[in-house]
Amino acid sequence: SQQGEEDPQALSIQEGENATMNCSYKTSINNLQWYRQNSGRGLVHLILIRSNEREKHSGRLRVTLDTSKKSSSLLITASRAADTASYFCATDDSWGKLQFGAGTQVVVTP
Amino acid sequence: DVKVTQSSRYLVKRTGEKVFLECVQDMDHENMFWYRQDPGLGLRLIYFSYDVKMKEKGDIPEGYSVSREKKERFSLILESASTNQTSMYLCAASGPQHFGDGTRLSIL
Repeated sequence: SQQGEEDPQALSIQEGENATMNCSYKTSINNLQWYRQNSGRGLVHLILIRSNEREKHSGRLRVTLDTSKKSSSLLITASRAADTASYFCATDDSWGKLQFGAGTQVVVTP
Repeated sequence: DVKVTQSSRYLVKRTGEKVFLECVQDMDHENMFWYRQDPGLGLRLIYFSYDVKMKEKGDIPEGYSVSREKKERFSLILESASTNQTSMYLCAASGPQHFGDGTRLSIL
C-alpha cells in the first residue's frame, strides 16, 4: 500500500511561476525524500529531509516537513520548462526501503 | 557519478515465458531494489536485497523471484509471465536510492 500521497495529481504552470506540491504519509518515518521522473526515464533523487528537520533548501527547491501533520511540501521556485516531470515523495525505513506516492505531474509551459 | 544500468529499455515477451530482467550497479552498495511502476499506483516494491545471496520480499512479490549472486548485479525473474505483469520495472541501489532508466515490459 502507498505510504505517501501527493497533491495535486497534476499541476500546470508557466515559466517563472512557483510550483508547490504536497505529500501526506501515514506512519512514522526516518526520512522523507523527493524524486523527479522525466517521461520514460528512471527516478532522480532531489532532496532528503530527516524527521528531525523542518525545512531544507537545494538550489531552487525548498522542502518542508511537518511530522505532527505527517505532511511535506516541495516548492520549486522560478520554474523552467526543464522542470516538466513527475515528482514523487517517498518515506523510508531503517533498511532503506522506500514507500512512494502516486506522484504529481508538473507541466511548465514557456 | 553513480550508475545503475538495466539491461533492456523495452522488452516484449509472451505469456508463460520465463523472463529475466538484469540490473547492475557500480557503487558497491549493499542494498538493491526492484520496483514496478503503474499509472496511478506510483512505485511498488517487489523485492529487495541487502547483501549477496540475501533477499527480502517487498509489497508485491507474487509471481516474481530474484537472484543476487554478485554484489553489483540484482536480477528479477518472472517465473511464468502473465499479462498483468506488463509494466515499467525500475531497479535501484540505495543510499539515497539511485535508479536505472527502467525496463518497459510488455507481456502478450
